[in-house]
Amino acid sequence: GAVVSQHPSRVICKSGTSVKIECRSLDFQATTMFWYRQFPKQSLMLMATSNEGSKATYEQGVEKDKFLINHASLTLSTLTVTSAHPEDSSFYICSATPRPANTEAFFGQGTRLTVV
Amino acid sequence: DAKTTQPTSMDCAEGRAANLPCNHSTISGNEYVYWYRQIHSQGPQYIIHGLKNNETNEMASLIITEDRKSSTLILPHATLRDTAVYYCIVRVLFSGGYNKLIFGAGTRLAVHP
Repeated sequence: GAVVSQHPSRVICKSGTSVKIECRSLDFQATTMFWYRQFPKQSLMLMATSNEGSKATYEQGVEKDKFLINHASLTLSTLTVTSAHPEDSSFYICSATPRPANTEAFFGQGTRLTVV
Repeated sequence: DAKTTQPTSMDCAEGRAANLPCNHSTISGNEYVYWYRQIHSQGPQYIIHGLKNNETNEMASLIITEDRKSSTLILPHATLRDTAVYYCIVRVLFSGGYNKLIFGAGTRLAVHP
């Protein structure tokens, strides 16, 4: 299957700093990219969806000024956690869908963020 | 909100078939059923998807009822490496090709020797 690469896989940062996570589709162009976060022993929670040529659409309750998403190109999306706090510590996962929309979405390996 | 309900957990003996049910009674006519699994601390792995017809690939089979209100994922010969959380997802489509994958709680499958 197609490959989605997420970087970094682990990051530790201090409270108040910002962290950027990259998501790349390596062998296809992604019409849609999704960002999720997952707390221990819980399911994935969709944070935002970004479609080609448009700004990200955030799910209810997700602060768009805190979680900045930039779908820079058809192969790259970034999630920046601004002014991180310990409660932002979580597993962040991206996924990407090639054309057409009804093909499978491919997931990155996830980023474990720890804010100290 | 997720449009699916699944049992919280299931057990299966190694070598036997694992049948994982999923209810999606509010599914719309153009919405697909997707199955993914997640092994601890990894990104979800795609398994299979379907619309109306039963589907089979090298990993699993997907049986969708005629009314499309439920489906079953079948792992024909479960191995210990199939221990994971299995997610049944209805892919929500919007106009213009915009779509979402909303995860429910999933089923934690434990395959034992």
